[in-house]
Amino acid sequence: NAGVMQNPRHLVRRRGQEARLRCSPMKGHSHVYWYRQLPEEGLKFMVYLQKENIIDESGMPKERFSAEFPKEGPSILRIQQVVRGDSAAYFCASSPDGLNEKLFFGSGTQLSVL
Amino acid sequence: RKEVEQDPGPFNVPEGATVAFNCTYSNSASQSFFWYRQDCRKEPKLLMSVYSSGNEDGRFTAQLNRASQYISLLIRDSKLSDSATYLCVVRGGSQGNLIFGKGTKLSVKP
Repeated sequence: NAGVMQNPRHLVRRRGQEARLRCSPMKGHSHVYWYRQLPEEGLKFMVYLQKENIIDESGMPKERFSAEFPKEGPSILRIQQVVRGDSAAYFCASSPDGLNEKLFFGSGTQLSVL
Repeated sequence: RKEVEQDPGPFNVPEGATVAFNCTYSNSASQSFFWYRQDCRKEPKLLMSVYSSGNEDGRFTAQLNRASQYISLLIRDSKLSDSATYLCVVRGGSQGNLIFGKGTKLSVKP
């Protein structure tokens, strides 16, 4: 593990509930990326954040999804009113700069919506 | 045309075999190219960057053909531990984010 910490590892929610996924980047990294991976699919970019700023959210669904990376604490990916189609692995990655030449991934959060 | 396209496989090869993966990308402005490896249900890990001049790291050789928008990964003397999914990754443009292919699954058998 490259030091990116994600929790929880597994999250089970019922339809309509909220899911909060946390990511603490590697020490010294101030750039965080969230990716989603559906079963048998590739990773899809969701959002890129720096401390207190959303740099690129072009991959985020327009509704129910939001992300933040506060000055203190981990980055949070929040999914409101979850639906079954939200079930996926959510990976967070960090890099020391915005060039994203190398990304270090966390172990991911597996979200299951019942 | 998909942004990054790979043959999904699976490639089933015996130990010691040489295997090659191919990948094509659609954005001619792409600047950087990588191969990542992902084991089942785990996070992707950087295997190697791909340079225009081609590069080698032990048993692994990566090549880039910008004219054809084509990237390859060659694995020589396959080991059982090479079994994984290999992800072709392209950075879309100078400030673009990393775009991942769906991956090619490799299974090395004894």
